[in-house]
Amino acid sequence: SQKIEQNSEALNIQEGKTATLTCNYTNYSPAYLQWYRQDPGRGPVFLLLIRENEKEKRKERLKVTFDTTLKQSLFHITASQPADSATYLCALDTGGRRALTFGSGTRLQVQP
Amino acid sequence: ETGVTQSPTHLIKTRGQQVTLRCSSQSGHNTVSWYQQALGQGPQFIFQYYREEENGRGNFPPRFSGLQFPNYSSELNVNALELDDSALYLCASHRDRFTDTQYFGPGTRLTVL
Repeated sequence: SQKIEQNSEALNIQEGKTATLTCNYTNYSPAYLQWYRQDPGRGPVFLLLIRENEKEKRKERLKVTFDTTLKQSLFHITASQPADSATYLCALDTGGRRALTFGSGTRLQVQP
Repeated sequence: ETGVTQSPTHLIKTRGQQVTLRCSSQSGHNTVSWYQQALGQGPQFIFQYYREEENGRGNFPPRFSGLQFPNYSSELNVNALELDDSALYLCASHRDRFTDTQYFGPGTRLTVL
């Protein structure tokens, strides 16, 4: 069956460290993968998109990698800050109509 | 802010009732997707509307229906509400059905008692 897996346990790190979040998927062949940030009670906010032919993408303190052989994406936040505390969702394009399939998210807590 | 608005913010209904949720897409966007997000889960795709027509549907029963208007705003209707319909309902607008990036609204929190 098709699955998108993100660490269900919260990730706690110290301010200034690099946070690394994982997204694994099975039985999908996505054209691209996206990462979103979601704060409690709010809608997801788009962060980065990486296509199947791209290995890495960066935006300011954010970096995403995409390994279609391992079926895995890693999401890094460098020099993390308490304001980065949120739930981070990965989403795949499945079905080719821009209908996203989301993982259940990983909650990141950055301690001052 | 994404420019996508949803109303109402919160809603409480009882089992068996019907509900209509509304979404105004970002200016210049002609495609709207609706998602249901249960507590602790990621959003699940309900359906998508492109230029007033349904352009794909997820694994939701027919009692979930939608509309898109000429100004590209959209409605989600749910009939015969069940307790499991309690969730955050999100709409996302895209510039068009070929555009990858989606911009989400703040959501409507529906509670079914």
